[in-house]
Amino acid sequence: DGGITQSPKYLFRKEGQNVTLSCEQNLNHDAMYWYRQDPGQGLRLIYYSQIVNDFQKGDIAEGYSVSREKKESFPLTVTSAQKNPTAFYLCASSISGQGGSGNTIYFGEGSWLTVV
Amino acid sequence: GQQLNQSPQSMFIQEGEDVSMNCTSSSIFNTWLWYKQDPGEGPVLLIALYKAGELTSNGRLTAQFGITRKDSFLNISASIPSDVGIYFCAGQLPGNRDDKIIFGKGTRLHILP
Repeated sequence: DGGITQSPKYLFRKEGQNVTLSCEQNLNHDAMYWYRQDPGQGLRLIYYSQIVNDFQKGDIAEGYSVSREKKESFPLTVTSAQKNPTAFYLCASSISGQGGSGNTIYFGEGSWLTVV
Repeated sequence: GQQLNQSPQSMFIQEGEDVSMNCTSSSIFNTWLWYKQDPGEGPVLLIALYKAGELTSNGRLTAQFGITRKDSFLNISASIPSDVGIYFCAGQLPGNRDDKIIFGKGTRLHILP
C-alpha cells in the first residue's frame, strides 16, 4: 500500500532521554514535514525538508532535530532540550519541493509521545 | 506570520443537520485543502481546491475556493455520527518557495444524540 508510515504509534520517554520517531513514505514525494499537535489544538510545524540532504526549521524547532539522508525517510529526534515533549506528532509529505500551485500534503497516522 | 482564521471553533448539531464552516485570511492563497481528523489519527484529506471559484464535492461534502482567493468554506449535508471529528482547513501562499502550508486551528464537530 502507498502511504506514510510512522512508528512507533506510542512512545514513552524518560526525563533527559533523546527519542527518535520514524517516518517513511513510498509516495515518491519530494517534501516531508513534521508537525506537533497538543490536545485540542491545531498543528504546529517543527521541521520540513524539500529535498534530500536539506531541511529547514519550522515554527517550533527548538529541542528537535531531523535528518533527510534518503528521499523516503525523515526521522525526528526529540532531544532532552525539549522541555515539554508530550504531544501527538504527525509526519506529512507532498509532491512538490519547489513551491508552486497544486501542492497537496498527506499525513501519516501519528505518534504519541509521553514523558514519564 | 500569515494566519488562517477558521470558524466556528466548535459546533454542536443534531444528526441529519447540515454543517457549514469556513476559513478566511487577509492573504491570497493559491491552494485550499480541507482535512478531517479522528481522535488519535492523522488528518485525512477530504477536498483539494486549486482554482479561485472552484466548487468541488466529495459525497455529502462540498467545498469552495473563494473568488477573492482569501477564503474557503466546507459544507456537510445531512450529518451522520461518523462525521464527528476535527476539520482543518489549510492553504498555500502563491510564490511560497518553501512549500510551507498554513493550517487553521480546526473546527470540532459534535453530534448530539
